[in-house]
Amino acid sequence: AQSVTQLDSQVPVFEEAPVELRCNYSSSVSVYLFWYVQYPNQGLQLLLKYLSGSTLVKGINGFEAEFNKSQTSFHLRKPSVHISDTAEYFCAVKNAGGTSYGKLTFGQGTILTVHP
Amino acid sequence: DTEVTQTPKHLVMGMTNKKSLKCEQHMGHRAMYWYKQKAKKPPELMFVYSYEKLSINESVPSRFSPECPNSSLLNLHLHALQPEDSALYLCASSQLALETQYFGPGTRLLVL
Repeated sequence: AQSVTQLDSQVPVFEEAPVELRCNYSSSVSVYLFWYVQYPNQGLQLLLKYLSGSTLVKGINGFEAEFNKSQTSFHLRKPSVHISDTAEYFCAVKNAGGTSYGKLTFGQGTILTVHP
Repeated sequence: DTEVTQTPKHLVMGMTNKKSLKCEQHMGHRAMYWYKQKAKKPPELMFVYSYEKLSINESVPSRFSPECPNSSLLNLHLHALQPEDSALYLCASSQLALETQYFGPGTRLLVL
């Protein structure tokens, strides 16, 4: 079984400040990792993903994340946030093998609030 | 283009009604998913279709009935729902079951 822990339920920051949203996962097999963003009253939008290769992954809207296998983490970062980044962010994990058949396991979400 | 469309955007129904949610994608994806998301919670997987066949049912009550008429379309038929079924219902699709999932905007359902 897999699990995902997002260590902060809410993160308030000021505009143009850097931000890090933390995600740790637990799995007995190799995994794929994802970050999704959900703006109010909308669906989920893929920010970035790690499937294999370089552990530093760049996504849309200036976000990046680093896969750390030894610490089983996949933290999301942005060097300078904007008001428009205010949203809920979900970290998700999926088995890289074929037994889970596409099931995504989500963390509980982190609400990022950017203040002017 | 990574667009998944869902209709309707909002739906209000009584406990005795029958209604359907519709999801469509034209990306050639062969896996499609239904998720349920309650307020302030992450999405929970309900069903997975792969090549138009149901491959995962996460022990969802029979008042929810999925249907995949073709590779582009996924329906969720609703009957005799309960107020606790009120939620945002999200559809997603992926190239194959192991690939990245792309989500639609969701249908916000209110059961009275």
